[in-house]
Amino acid sequence: DAGVTQSPTHLIKTRGQQVTLRCSPKSGHDTVSWYQQALGQGPQFIFQYYEEEERQRGNFPDRFSGHQFPNYSSELNVNALLLGDSALYLCASRRQGLWGYTFGSGTRLTVV
Amino acid sequence: RKEVEQDPGPFNVPEGATVAFNCTYSNSASQSFFWYRQDCRKEPKLLMSVYSSGNEDGRFTAQLNRASQYISLLIRDSKLSDSATYLCVVNRGGSQGNLIFGKGTKLSVKP
Repeated sequence: DAGVTQSPTHLIKTRGQQVTLRCSPKSGHDTVSWYQQALGQGPQFIFQYYEEEERQRGNFPDRFSGHQFPNYSSELNVNALLLGDSALYLCASRRQGLWGYTFGSGTRLTVV
Repeated sequence: RKEVEQDPGPFNVPEGATVAFNCTYSNSASQSFFWYRQDCRKEPKLLMSVYSSGNEDGRFTAQLNRASQYISLLIRDSKLSDSATYLCVVNRGGSQGNLIFGKGTKLSVKP
């Protein structure tokens, strides 16, 4: 039973570029949340997707957008990258209405 | 003010020591509480949930004081393998909610 799978594991982008990160939730999970973890900080909630809609959003600008597909997988898109977007991006999945988040191992994004 | 605040650390302790982590949260609507452990460059993993009655899992004891909005984690008989960052986490929205993380406290257990 695969856990949460994220791709790519590492990524280097230039300021101003756009990036797409991908997440496949754990089998049986239908809700996906994305978190940004800067160096030395705790993860910060970006947004949550359920039934292909954004259900909740943290304090992140519109440059951060996402999508959820019918198979529950999800993408995180970041436009107009800034140096400050360099971070570990974590995807977490769970089954709606139940506790128990499972985290993926993350995508480490470096913006140069 | 951050919604979840933790001791800044780092904590450097010898093997066998007892170490305590403290955490406060500002939103009284918070409903669920957790300690997560994060190893270097890895994802966070659930260590234990925290209940008002207090709960214990082997060498780990967690306590919650809702009146003071305070959470603690006690690790007894520290092992080298306990070295990690410990994240205090709250959930505001019940089963619909999302996790709010503290900054984390780094623990290094030395031989």
